[in-house]
This record gives sequence, C-alpha cells and structure tokens, in this order.
Amino acid sequence: QQQVKQSPQSLIVQKGGISIINCAYENTAFDYFPWYQQFPGKGPALLIAIRPDVSEKKEGRFTISFNKSAKQFSLHIMDSQPGDSATYFCAASMNTGFQKLVFGTGTRLLVSP
Amino acid sequence: DAGVTQSPTHLIKTRGQQVTLRCSPKSGHDTVSWYQQALGQGPQFIFQYYEEEERQRGNFPDRFSGHQFPNYSSELNVNALLLGDSALYLCASSRADEGLDYGYTFGSGTRLTVV
Repeated sequence: QQQVKQSPQSLIVQKGGISIINCAYENTAFDYFPWYQQFPGKGPALLIAIRPDVSEKKEGRFTISFNKSAKQFSLHIMDSQPGDSATYFCAASMNTGFQKLVFGTGTRLLVSP
Repeated sequence: DAGVTQSPTHLIKTRGQQVTLRCSPKSGHDTVSWYQQALGQGPQFIFQYYEEEERQRGNFPDRFSGHQFPNYSSELNVNALLLGDSALYLCASSRADEGLDYGYTFGSGTRLTVV
C-alpha cells in the first residue's frame, strides 16, 4: 500500500514532442503528489506538485494530470527539449506531519535533437 | 544561499566496515531526512531527524543509525557494511512548520561503494 508504481521505465521522444509519464498508487491517505527531476550526479529537484483537490496543474511546459478515482497521476512535458533529458520520479506523501516521500522507480527520458 | 551540502561526495568501503556520512541542511531548515537510492531505483526513506531526535524511520535495519546536532546538521552511520548497501545516499532538508510544498530540498548525495 505504500508503493507508487511508475511507467514507462524509459522513454525516447523527439525534440518538440510530448513526453508522458504515468504513476499509480494504492494508499488513499496520500495527499501530496510531486514530480522530481534528477540529472546524473545530482539529487532530485522538485519540478511540480499537485494535491488531490485539483485535477490538473500546469507550470510552463510541465503539466500534472490527476485522477483521484483511478488513483493515477501523470506528468506531461510539452515541447520536449534535449535539456529535459533526465530521470523523472513521481512521489507521494501523507499529511501526517512527517515530511516523508514515497518514490516511484523512475523514468529515464531521452529527448533526441 | 547554500543549499544542502553532503560529504564526502564518493566513498569506497570494505564489507564489514562502518561508515559515517554528513549533511548540512539549507539555511533556515531544521529537519533532515535521509534516503537511500540504489542504482536504477527511486530513493527510499531511511529516517528523519528533528530537534535532535529520530522521529520517523523507514524499513531499514538497526545497522543504519543517525544523529542530528544542535546546528541542525546530521550524520548517517552504517555499521557492518554489506555489498547491498552500495547506493547513493541522499539528504533532504526542510522546515518542520512548512509543508512539503515549500523548500523540501535534496543534496547531491554521497555515492557509497562497498567492495
């Protein structure tokens, strides 16, 4: 119940295309769903996050779509650029007062020029 | 404004040895969380320190222990190292009175290799 399942494991997208990464969770107590971007040799950096009271959040080229009934959420990267090539992790957390994140297994995105 | 600083960057240890990793939180942060990231996997929560006490722990054995100092910096200790402990160890800092939305910041990690 503490798991967050992420797919695909890897993704190749042409420059200018749309990258889509999906995540699913079981624990309905999760109430915070961030996406992190990680470059080689660096720690994860927060990209965008959503809470269950909204179905979509957009920040620049990045959009989270959230389906509470299906317990799924996804990251869309519009107009993908080579600089977006990185590993992306979805995560989830419960509002318990403890700031603990449960991460997915990651998606390695390669944007070809 | 310095972010989260971790040391050392890389470390090679032998099975059975003990290791100490260090983390200095971002300025203004009082809470430190440690994560283990195995190769090709997502980070896994080890434990969290606030007010110099461990206040939550993930599914890790007692060989993993930690400490937080009055200046909020933290150490992660691993005893009796196993080959499976080889991973990137990440430290994240935050403010206890703020939600995850605000400033939950990761360091670049310490790459531990056990041989």
